[in-house]
Amino acid sequence: AQSVTQLGSHVSVSEGALVLLRCNYSSSVPPYLFWYVQYPNQGLQLLLKYTTGATLVKGINGFEAEFKKSETSFHLTKPSAHMSDAAEYFCAVKPGYSTLTFGKGTMLLVSP
Amino acid sequence: EAQVTQNPRYLITVTGKKLTVTCSQNMNHEYMSWYRQDPGLGLRQIYYSMNVEVTDKGDVPEGYKVSRKEKRNFPLILESPSPNQTSLYFCASSLSGGQGGNVLTFGAGSRLTVL
Repeated sequence: AQSVTQLGSHVSVSEGALVLLRCNYSSSVPPYLFWYVQYPNQGLQLLLKYTTGATLVKGINGFEAEFKKSETSFHLTKPSAHMSDAAEYFCAVKPGYSTLTFGKGTMLLVSP
Repeated sequence: EAQVTQNPRYLITVTGKKLTVTCSQNMNHEYMSWYRQDPGLGLRQIYYSMNVEVTDKGDVPEGYKVSRKEKRNFPLILESPSPNQTSLYFCASSLSGGQGGNVLTFGAGSRLTVL
């Protein structure tokens, strides 16, 4: 069965600093990979996804993630954090026909 | 507007009193799913449905029932709620649940408290 590990339940950055949220996965077949974001009191919405092709994926709001097969990682980055980026971020993996499995989430805190 | 609608958004109930959380989508999606979200545990899948009349258990199905009589609706039923079912529940749908990187569209969530 597939699994997702997000390192750090909380990550704190200053406004303007680099955002790095880590995600590692295990999967027996090449997976589809996703990052979802949850703003307070809302449902989840897609930030970006990797299916096939280019391993560097760009998403909304300046976020991007790189699929590294050798490291089984799909870390999320943003060069410069904004206050509006404060939210909970979920990495998810879907190997082939299997259902989607979510990580436990990382809360991003942005201070002025 | 394309959306997944859940009702009620908030509910406080007592142990043993049957309740239903409704979920409806207007995107003609084949796949629908229920998740519960608990602090420190992320989202865990309760049940999912690949299409009408096809449902299957997720990771935490105990204490829940679902049905999929119509494509657009996927209600979650708690026959005899218990306090450990106090949680935030999300319904989600996608075009299909099979092979492929189909994106889930989520409802706004239903916060359930069982006393």
